[in-house]
Amino acid sequence: DIQMTQSPSSLSASVGDRVTITCRASQGISSYLNWYQQKPGTAPKLLIYGASNFQSGVPPRFSGSGSVTDFTLTISSLQPEDFATYFCQQSYSIPRTFGQGTKVEI
Amino acid sequence: EVQLVESGGGLVKPGGSLRLSCAASGFTLNNAWMTWVRQAPGKGLEWVGRIKRKTDGGTTDYAAPVKGRFTISRDDSKNTLFLQMRSLNTDDTAMYYCTTDTPIYIDYYVMDVWGQGTTVTVSS
Repeated sequence: DIQMTQSPSSLSASVGDRVTITCRASQGISSYLNWYQQKPGTAPKLLIYGASNFQSGVPPRFSGSGSVTDFTLTISSLQPEDFATYFCQQSYSIPRTFGQGTKVEI
Repeated sequence: EVQLVESGGGLVKPGGSLRLSCAASGFTLNNAWMTWVRQAPGKGLEWVGRIKRKTDGGTTDYAAPVKGRFTISRDDSKNTLFLQMRSLNTDDTAMYYCTTDTPIYIDYYVMDVWGQGTTVTVSS
């Protein structure tokens, strides 16, 4: 199975901050990498697929980059509604696997 | 509006069984690959398994912890997905989500539409 490792596991930030979350795959996954946002008590929401492509409706302050094993999710200017937990996930092989999550807190 | 609504969760004793349902609306289920994902309380997301559409063979894949105990099936005539769970143990306690598994490119599938989830608690 491909292991996905995110860092940090949590971070504290303020509105307007630039935030970067990293995700590393245990083996090469090309660009088969997705990012999800989950707010408490709600289902995850797809933000980015293919490492860098926006899902419809996602604000442009979110961006993704990387390939093969190393990926990043960047929020250029954190907004109040962005405080949530973010997960990376690989679509390269079965079983699909997720990172452990990064909680973005005030 | 594309929507998924899970049901069937509840409290079950260790060793017991439960069947979850996922009702789809706003799209035709028979064209979709579907996936179940679970989340234990306060934990991360765990892929449970998926089922392909019948025109792609209708085959299933499962995560190792549930293989042989869980079965994913579909009734396209009722636009409903199922997760039959047997020999449940406390590690299966989680919120269970159904999701669409949508092709973005050839061989690239993403979980883009999620239900609200249904809670399964395994406890004596």
